Amino acid sequence: QVQLQESGPGLVKPSQTLSLTCTVSGASISRGSFYWSWIRQPAGKGLEWIGRIYTSGSTNYNPSLKSRVTISVDTSKNQFSLKLKSVTAADTAVYYCARDSRDYQYYYMDVWGKGTTVTVSS
Amino acid sequence: SYVLTQPPSVSVAPGQTARITCGGNNIGSKSVHWYQQRPGQAPVLVVNDDSDRPSGIPERFSGSNSDNTATLTISRVEAEDEADYYCQVWDSYSDHYVFGTGTKVTVL
Repeated sequence: QVQLQESGPGLVKPSQTLSLTCTVSGASISRGSFYWSWIRQPAGKGLEWIGRIYTSGSTNYNPSLKSRVTISVDTSKNQFSLKLKSVTAADTAVYYCARDSRDYQYYYMDVWGKGTTVTVSS
Repeated sequence: SYVLTQPPSVSVAPGQTARITCGGNNIGSKSVHWYQQRPGQAPVLVVNDDSDRPSGIPERFSGSNSDNTATLTISRVEAEDEADYYCQVWDSYSDHYVFGTGTKVTVL
């Protein structure tokens, strides 16, 4: 079965760039009609979608984060990555990666990683 | 930006029915997905495309969507259903996912 695992630094300094990687196991990231998403959740708060990437490299981003976010894919490593620049304390959250699938027209997130906590602090 | 509104909390006795609403402008024209998130865990898809149930999800979970409200119904509630629930849609106007505000279901 497909599994996703987030990895990256747990602590990032303010104004620096947050970088996370999601490793996909159990399936090839380049096969099938899937998108690959990043979602975050500040402690005690709701889910916020950050963005997604198709294996062709096509991306969609949350308009509220678009100016600071880059999502990329490395099919040779079966990974996709998130970069969030100019971080502040407001970017402190649990970050999840997920696979987007669909039965009909619209995608939903059917496989999630366990999440990784990122704290922005000096 | 498209907004999805959920009640902050719903309380239900074991064996009863919990209904969680998700309000949005003309949400009936969109495809709604629902996620369950237990404390300290990643979200799990429980209903996709308004009313489809993924493999492994109990039949007690069902969904509906019409006009300005989508509803997740949990029948014969069990203690393990205590969790946060989020609705989600795709906002075609600005090409991004939107999550609802989330509802905490408490089993009394």
